Amino acid sequence: KNEVEQSPQNLTAQEGEFITINCSYSVGISALHWLQQHPGGGIVSLFMLSSGKKKHGRLIATINIQEKHSSLHITASHPRDSAVYICAAEETSGSRLTFGEGTQLTVNP
Amino acid sequence: SQTIHQWPATLVQPVGSPLSLECTVEGTSNPNLYWYRQAAGRGLQLLFYSVGIGQISSEVPQNLSASRPQDRQFILSSKKLLLSDSGFYLCARTTGRNYGYTFGSGTRLTVV
Repeated sequence: KNEVEQSPQNLTAQEGEFITINCSYSVGISALHWLQQHPGGGIVSLFMLSSGKKKHGRLIATINIQEKHSSLHITASHPRDSAVYICAAEETSGSRLTFGEGTQLTVNP
Repeated sequence: SQTIHQWPATLVQPVGSPLSLECTVEGTSNPNLYWYRQAAGRGLQLLFYSVGIGQISSEVPQNLSASRPQDRQFILSSKKLLLSDSGFYLCARTTGRNYGYTFGSGTRLTVV
């Protein structure tokens, strides 16, 4: 069992749909990161969470520390949101990240 | 600015050849630096991390090594590449616990 698990692995949506990607982790964390990886491979940090909820534009990230679960939501999805979304746990024992395997999101026009 | 410069962007190398990937960072001094690898169809895996000059920790025994000759320079090397070294290599930095990560643009290495 991976220490960080994401679901679904693949997600296809129509433009405008509300999207949710889930992340569960089993390690003790100081923070939970959501990252976006574009087809060329470049990775952008979207959120870093240690509690509650954060919002940036159409993206919302939530975390439940007790349940060891985080979600990334995209409202009014757009084809340019198509990318791989990666959840990563920053362990309390250091700043190292343990990554989920990513969710490939495809938003069709 | 917490910019990371990583090069080259793509690299094709024959089996048995040496490798040197360089990562330089700007911004806050004494960052934590990391090398991650993403093999085809798999998630990112930590290879090495460094909390200071000359301080390297290895997470996965393998054909690779890392060095940090200067505060803002992190180098990934191999004396003899294997086919299994192919993948996407990312350099990353953080200024410490609970600070955000910044990632380089990555190097796609294909060993042939």
